[in-house]
Amino acid sequence: GNSVTQMEGPVTLSEEAFLTINCTYTATGYPSLFWYVQYPGEGLQLLLKATKADDKGSNKGFEATYRKETTSFHLEKGSVQVSDSAVYFCALTVNTNAGKSTFGDGTTLTVKP
Amino acid sequence: GAGVSQSPSNKVTEKGKDVELRCDPISGHTALYWYRQSLGQGLEFLIYFQGNSAPDKSGLPSDRFSAERTGGSVSTLTIQRTQQEDSAVYLCASSGETRDTQYFGPGTRLTVL
Repeated sequence: GNSVTQMEGPVTLSEEAFLTINCTYTATGYPSLFWYVQYPGEGLQLLLKATKADDKGSNKGFEATYRKETTSFHLEKGSVQVSDSAVYFCALTVNTNAGKSTFGDGTTLTVKP
Repeated sequence: GAGVSQSPSNKVTEKGKDVELRCDPISGHTALYWYRQSLGQGLEFLIYFQGNSAPDKSGLPSDRFSAERTGGSVSTLTIQRTQQEDSAVYLCASSGETRDTQYFGPGTRLTVL
């Protein structure tokens, strides 16, 4: 079956610190990989995605590279802001599953000024 | 509207009562998904609709849960004889033809007393 394992939280950083949230996966077939973000009181929003090996997804200063050899899709940002405080979810979708996604448990990030 | 909408945003009910949760997907999206997000956990897939095909109900936790999608658009998730363990945020998502990117609604927070 498919599964996603992401770094346990919570993660607390100071503003302008470097962020890494680890994500590894197992999948049957060739997955597309996603990071979603959920800001306090809001729904999930797609942050970035990558659909094949070695692709890099990027958005709002966040990046993640699809690493097939390590089955990983780690999220990074060079300098976090207070406004980045949210819950981050790693997810995968395999087309053979008709698009339904498998999500990690989420990692809560708090950025302090 | 431009996004996925859900109603109600909050629902408090008594154990044993039935509840209906509504989802309006993005216009033109053929795929619709329901997920459940329990406190501090990731998203649990419930059910998936694609066009006129039979829905994928493989994630429904019990026969108390059912969903329908009328006219290929609006969907209703029904929980009969609610239990306290049904308390969660119920999220709806829709996607277009490629089905690899899902757009989420804000969710319905269900509390069963």
